[in-house]
Amino acid sequence: TQLLEQSPQFLSIQEGENLTVYCNSSSVFSSLQWYRQEPGEGPVLLVTVVTGGEVKKLKRLTFQFGDARKDSSLHITAAQPGDTGLYLCAGVKGTYKYIFGTGTRLKVLA
Amino acid sequence: KAGVTQTPRYLIKTRGQQVTLSCSPISGHRSVSWYQQTPGQGLQFLFEYFSETQRNKGNFPGRFSGRQFSNSRSEMNVSTLELGDSALYLCASSLDLGYGYTFGSGTRLTVV
Repeated sequence: TQLLEQSPQFLSIQEGENLTVYCNSSSVFSSLQWYRQEPGEGPVLLVTVVTGGEVKKLKRLTFQFGDARKDSSLHITAAQPGDTGLYLCAGVKGTYKYIFGTGTRLKVLA
Repeated sequence: KAGVTQTPRYLIKTRGQQVTLSCSPISGHRSVSWYQQTPGQGLQFLFEYFSETQRNKGNFPGRFSGRQFSNSRSEMNVSTLELGDSALYLCASSLDLGYGYTFGSGTRLTVV
């Protein structure tokens, strides 16, 4: 089974700190997506990155797709309690196949 | 616009029973996918339907089946439930794969 490994698995930080979450694979993906899931809800799409080396910013969140399209990172600046949740990356292979990462559970303490 | 609606939200079933879960996608979305989410295994892909045809299938036993209707609504069925089937079952719709999913809130299935 192809895997997308995310690190760290768990992260507990204070409000205002910065953090980076990594999503790594040995496979090449046509695109990669990041989702955030809150307790009791389904994941919500944050961003899709398509081009190797692409960087996208969403307010305090910065997403980067690796040059070889095998990995990605999510950087959060000045984390807030509202950023708490499970962060999932999902690699898209071809047209029809999604592979979800193992997830990073983030808790931001006020 | 209305989001993805999954019913029921919670379900408790006994081992050996069968269950049917329902999903109404966003209007205009023809692709519907189903995932099983557990703490240990994360999000595992079950199957994907597009215009009433199963286009892709994950590595689950034949006890797990699904279908899609002409209005894009989808159902999944699990027969002969096992304790290990306890999980959050998520439905996700999309214009087509690659555009990103809109997930429903899920059905929490507990098998006792």
